[in-house]
Amino acid sequence: AQSVAQPEDQVNVAEGNPLTVKCTYSVSGNPYLFWYVQYPNRGLQFLLKYITGDNLVKGSYGFEAEFNKSQTSFHLKKPSALVSDSALYFCAVSARTDSWGKLQFGAGTQVVVTP
Amino acid sequence: DVKVTQSSRYLVKRTGEKVFLECVQDMDHENMFWYRQDPGLGLRLIYFSYDVKMKEKGDIPEGYSVSREKKERFSLILESASTNQTSMYLCASSLPGLAASDTQYFGPGTRLTVL
Repeated sequence: AQSVAQPEDQVNVAEGNPLTVKCTYSVSGNPYLFWYVQYPNRGLQFLLKYITGDNLVKGSYGFEAEFNKSQTSFHLKKPSALVSDSALYFCAVSARTDSWGKLQFGAGTQVVVTP
Repeated sequence: DVKVTQSSRYLVKRTGEKVFLECVQDMDHENMFWYRQDPGLGLRLIYFSYDVKMKEKGDIPEGYSVSREKKERFSLILESASTNQTSMYLCASSLPGLAASDTQYFGPGTRLTVL
């Protein structure tokens, strides 16, 4: 069975400072890893995913994430946070052996960026 | 752009009522998914469908059923709504094919309240 842990319920950061949202996972075999963002009263928007290759993945809105196989982590990062980055962020994992592409989501991390 | 629409943004129903939540996607996606989102629990998969009239149970199917009569439409049915089904319901679809790396695209969600 696969699982995802997002150890922080909330991350607070000042605008202009680096932003990191942590994610660790457990899955049989190699994973596919995803980050989604949810703005208030909206559905989830895809940010980026890791499939294979370069461990550093670049995505939308200046976000990137680094896949670390030895630490089973896939932390989301942004060099300089904006107030508009305030939202709920979800990490998700899919097992490569899953034919249907089912995702297991973490509980989510609320990001608050203050001016 | 992929568009996934859900029939209602907000819905209020009474205990025991039969509830239909509708989801439509416009990109000829094979796979469609229904999730519920609860604070602190992230997204949990209720049911998914990989083709017309084909469905599979997710992690929490109890109290729910689904219908997929046309490729673009996937309905979630609460046979007899209960207060513990008060939640945000999210529909998603993924690119054609059965690969675990496919990105899921989400609708805006339906916030259901059962009184």
